[in-house]
Amino acid sequence: DTGVSQDPRHKITKRGQNVTFRCDPISEHNRLYWYRQTLGQGPEFLTYFQNEAQLEKSRLLSDRFSAERPKGSFSTLEIQRTEQGDSAMYLCASSRTLGEQFFGPGTRLTVL
Amino acid sequence: GESVGLHLPTLSVQEGDNSIINCAYSNSASDYFIWYKQESGKGPQFIIDIRSNMDKRQGQRVTVLLNKTVKHLSLQIAATQPGDSAVYFCAENFTGNQFYFGTGTSLTVIP
Repeated sequence: DTGVSQDPRHKITKRGQNVTFRCDPISEHNRLYWYRQTLGQGPEFLTYFQNEAQLEKSRLLSDRFSAERPKGSFSTLEIQRTEQGDSAMYLCASSRTLGEQFFGPGTRLTVL
Repeated sequence: GESVGLHLPTLSVQEGDNSIINCAYSNSASDYFIWYKQESGKGPQFIIDIRSNMDKRQGQRVTVLLNKTVKHLSLQIAATQPGDSAVYFCAENFTGNQFYFGTGTSLTVIP
């Protein structure tokens, strides 16, 4: 257990539905990252927060995706109008510095 | 996008032997690299990192080598144990706070 928790661990939804995932980072970490990972691939960067500010977003990130970190603690990732191609593992990580990110167990999304 | 790749998708080694996992990167501007280990059903776990001003860094049973000339990174695991069985990823950073991960190498340790 790295100290980073994610909820839910699994989510099955129908195409077109909205889903929201939550990440609780290690409390003293001001950096928070979201990644997406598909089977057999490495994690793909989605977005980065420093405290409550969303400082970086992948240019590949669809406008159906939005993330927040309202109080600089937990973060949520919402996907609107889900598509089958959104099926993946969504990973959250936190850190104090640029390096050594501590990853949560992930939320596995299946879009039917 | 940038390419961070691994030469071998799978690697099998005998318990007690040394393992070498390789990674090629394409962006010469990358200046920070991290190796992660990912076990089934878990998120990646930090192993070791190295900055571009170094060519070697050692940890506990692990050594990372960086060859900037050929844009190559390797992870050496000494006296490989069954608990080392996992998928290993290299990740590179060349801009901001974004890390680009390679495809991964699956390491299997044979008892």
